[in-house]
Amino acid sequence: AQSVTQPDIHITVSEGASLELRCNYSYGATPYLFWYVQSPGQGLQLLLKYFSGDTLVQGIKGFEAEFKRSQSSFNLRKPSVHWSDAAEYFCAVGVYNNNDMRFGAGTRLTVKP
Amino acid sequence: KAGVTQTPRYLIKTRGQQVTLSCSPISGHRSVSWYQQTPGQGLQFLFEYFSETQRNKGNFPGRFSGRQFSNSRSEMNVSTLELGDSALYLCASSAALGARGYTFGSGTRLTVV
Repeated sequence: AQSVTQPDIHITVSEGASLELRCNYSYGATPYLFWYVQSPGQGLQLLLKYFSGDTLVQGIKGFEAEFKRSQSSFNLRKPSVHWSDAAEYFCAVGVYNNNDMRFGAGTRLTVKP
Repeated sequence: KAGVTQTPRYLIKTRGQQVTLSCSPISGHRSVSWYQQTPGQGLQFLFEYFSETQRNKGNFPGRFSGRQFSNSRSEMNVSTLELGDSALYLCASSAALGARGYTFGSGTRLTVV
């Protein structure tokens, strides 16, 4: 079965600084990869997804992620963080024809003014 | 178009009782999945329904069950509630099978006392 690791439980960055959230997955074939964001007490909002093709994926809110097969990674980046980006971020891996997606434990992002 | 609607938003139940949660997917979406989110275990897949049939099931006891109606609305039921069932229950819908990315509802916060 597929699995996901998010090595960083909590990250603090200053507003305007760049951000990179790490995600490593384990799956034998090419996975479907996702990043979701969750604000307190809310559901999850899809930021971006990768199925195939171009390994650099653009998402909403200025986020992007790069799929690196050799490193089994799908790191999320943003060049300049805004205070409203403070939330919890989840990386997830799915497989074809199966909606049993596996989520990482999440990375909580704090943005300093 | 309307998003995924979960009702109720908050629920308090007593240990030993049963509870039913409801989810209305995005119009046209036929796949509905349920997840349990807790601070200790994170996001865990419960089950997925497609065209009124359970297609996948996570590793939860039989006290957790669900169903899907012909209009794609779904309910999940938890019987004989335990304190550990306290969680945010998230419903997600997608147009078809295959993890092409969900749209999540805001969740139902269940507290068992």
